[in-house]
Amino acid sequence: QVQLQQRGAGLFKPSETLSLTCDVYGGSFSGYYWSWIRQPPGKGLEWIGEINFEGTTNYNPSLKSRVTISADTSKKQFSLKLTSVTAADTAVYYCARTPRDGSILVFDSWGQGTLVTVSS
Amino acid sequence: DIQMTQSPSSLSASVGDRVTITCQASQDIRNDLNWYQQKAGEVPKLLISDASRVEAGVPSRFSGSGSGTDFIFTITSLQPEDFATYYCQQYDSLPYTFGQGTKLEIK
Repeated sequence: QVQLQQRGAGLFKPSETLSLTCDVYGGSFSGYYWSWIRQPPGKGLEWIGEINFEGTTNYNPSLKSRVTISADTSKKQFSLKLTSVTAADTAVYYCARTPRDGSILVFDSWGQGTLVTVSS
Repeated sequence: DIQMTQSPSSLSASVGDRVTITCQASQDIRNDLNWYQQKAGEVPKLLISDASRVEAGVPSRFSGSGSGTDFIFTITSLQPEDFATYYCQQYDSLPYTFGQGTKLEIK
């Protein structure tokens, strides 16, 4: 059974670059897309972007200018970088496996979540 | 972006009740809709994909229906462990988007 383990700092100052990594255990890395999703405190879910094992990325246009998602297939990990963070980026950040079964796409396995706070 | 609108935003119900949540898409998304359950302090859990396909291990009291722009999520005979927030999510078009959530509370 696949497990996703997130790591990275939880406190950033405005204008800094947020960086998180998600390690994948117990399952294949190839053949899947891998996503980052965030949830501001007390609010709903926002998809940030995704990457596949070949390095193909898709980003939410609302964040595209500040987001980079990368992957290291040999280490079975993928990472999120978000530049120029502000208080509006304060949220719980999740990584998630994003399999596609034909035309069906789901977020079926999630990391434990990382609360990222942006504060001076 | 496709906007997903859930109704109601919150709902009070009792154990044993039948509950219905609706999700409306701002444009036709065919059957490209999932439903997730999120309990307080926990990660979201996938319940239903492809609008009506119940995931393995999910109790049969959960169901989904609809296509195009209008979707329904139903829980028959609410159990204590079902009190949570529920989200719909479309994957028809990038960016993938979620509804604002429906918080199901105990009456």
